[in-house]
Amino acid sequence: GENVEQHPSTLSVQEGDSAVIKCTYSDSASNYFPWYKQELGKRPQLIIDIRSNVGEKKDQRIAVTLNKTAKHFSLHITETQPEDSAVYFCAAKLTTDSWGKFQFGAGTQVVVTP
Amino acid sequence: GAVVSQHPSWVICKSGTSVKIECRSLDFQATTMFWYRQFPKQSLMLMATSNEGSKATYEQGVEKDKFLINHASLTLSTLTVTSAHPEDSSFYICSARVAGQQPQHFGDGTRLSIL
Repeated sequence: GENVEQHPSTLSVQEGDSAVIKCTYSDSASNYFPWYKQELGKRPQLIIDIRSNVGEKKDQRIAVTLNKTAKHFSLHITETQPEDSAVYFCAAKLTTDSWGKFQFGAGTQVVVTP
Repeated sequence: GAVVSQHPSWVICKSGTSVKIECRSLDFQATTMFWYRQFPKQSLMLMATSNEGSKATYEQGVEKDKFLINHASLTLSTLTVTSAHPEDSSFYICSARVAGQQPQHFGDGTRLSIL
């Protein structure tokens, strides 16, 4: 089955700096990669996603890059703000699964200090 | 759009009781719903996949008789934790998606505490 590894587990950044989280996946057939942000005790919220036919996608301060050959994808947050503090999860959709199951990474606790 | 409502948000009950959690898609029809369990500071662990009108598919290690899932309509799936014990205490989250579409949309979660 699919295995998704996420690094780092914790990330502390100064406000205004950039944050990068990296995930690797094992199934080369995986074709959809979402990123979710989860604040303490709340629902995971989709912040950006990318499909396997695209190498990069950007939405304001957030971008995701995908390297299919190396089987890794990364989340980039620029000009970080205190409200970016949360846990971020990457996921990969299992292509072989007709129901669209996700395999989630372990999560990255991001702390943005003013 | 794509709002998923989960109820209740918090449950505290005695050991041995059964607890039902509801997951509703409010503005779309969800052919597939997923149930996750999340322990503190850990990732989302998929428990089962629920499809409308058919039996749920459980992940390895998840007891079918312990966690009963019903997906009776395109907008409602329920998870019943039967004979709950303290080790069942956790944060349970559902998600839903439209057939053939991504992503999964999550509910607010249910914090279950078994005394």
